Amino acid sequence: DAKTTQPTSMDCAEGRAANLPCNHSTISGNEYVYWYRQIHSQGPQYIIHGLKNNETNEMASLIITEDRKSSTLILPHATLRDTAVYYCIVRVQIKAAGNKLTFGGGTRVLVKP
Amino acid sequence: GAGVSQSPSNKVTEKGKDVELRCDPISGHTALYWYRQSLGQGLEFLIYFQGNSAPDKSGLPSDRFSAERTGGSVSTLTIQRTQQEDSAVYLCASSPGTSGTNEQFFGPGTRLTVL
Repeated sequence: DAKTTQPTSMDCAEGRAANLPCNHSTISGNEYVYWYRQIHSQGPQYIIHGLKNNETNEMASLIITEDRKSSTLILPHATLRDTAVYYCIVRVQIKAAGNKLTFGGGTRVLVKP
Repeated sequence: GAGVSQSPSNKVTEKGKDVELRCDPISGHTALYWYRQSLGQGLEFLIYFQGNSAPDKSGLPSDRFSAERTGGSVSTLTIQRTQQEDSAVYLCASSPGTSGTNEQFFGPGTRLTVL
């Protein structure tokens, strides 16, 4: 699976949009971009994923550049409960081998009042 | 509906003892994963089950670690002769299957402390 690079930490004001970047310059054509987050003392939580098109769900939007070498997770209106570590993961879907997740360091996001 | 549950939530044991950690996946989920998260470290994959078989055990750190899954449901992770470096939060996740882009649903974890 391709390696990802994320900023170590970032702050965001409550109510504002949080834009979390992820670099995955070695991504291959069959690798998906996944985002998970981990709130303190909880297990990771799935947020969103995409292949090459931009995606949106009730939690966030995922913007993937045309060359797929980077992506941005957007939390449109950050709340204090969005304070967490956010992980960007690039992964191939191989049915026979399962879909184990390889977590990097992630970005520690602190939403401030 | 019920999510993934794990028990115990906390376990303190003495070095050299054996421990068993339990995971109850979401009903109907055929895929089950074990991960662990050491203090200040990222999450690392341990083992993956599809049904009752484990096609990927590549993350188990030593032969002291083993896991089984019965009835395609509950899974138990066993650590024999525990060492202090085994102290970590052990997380279990399940997903509906391995096709396509199934998301994984994580449990709250078991915090293991080896004294």
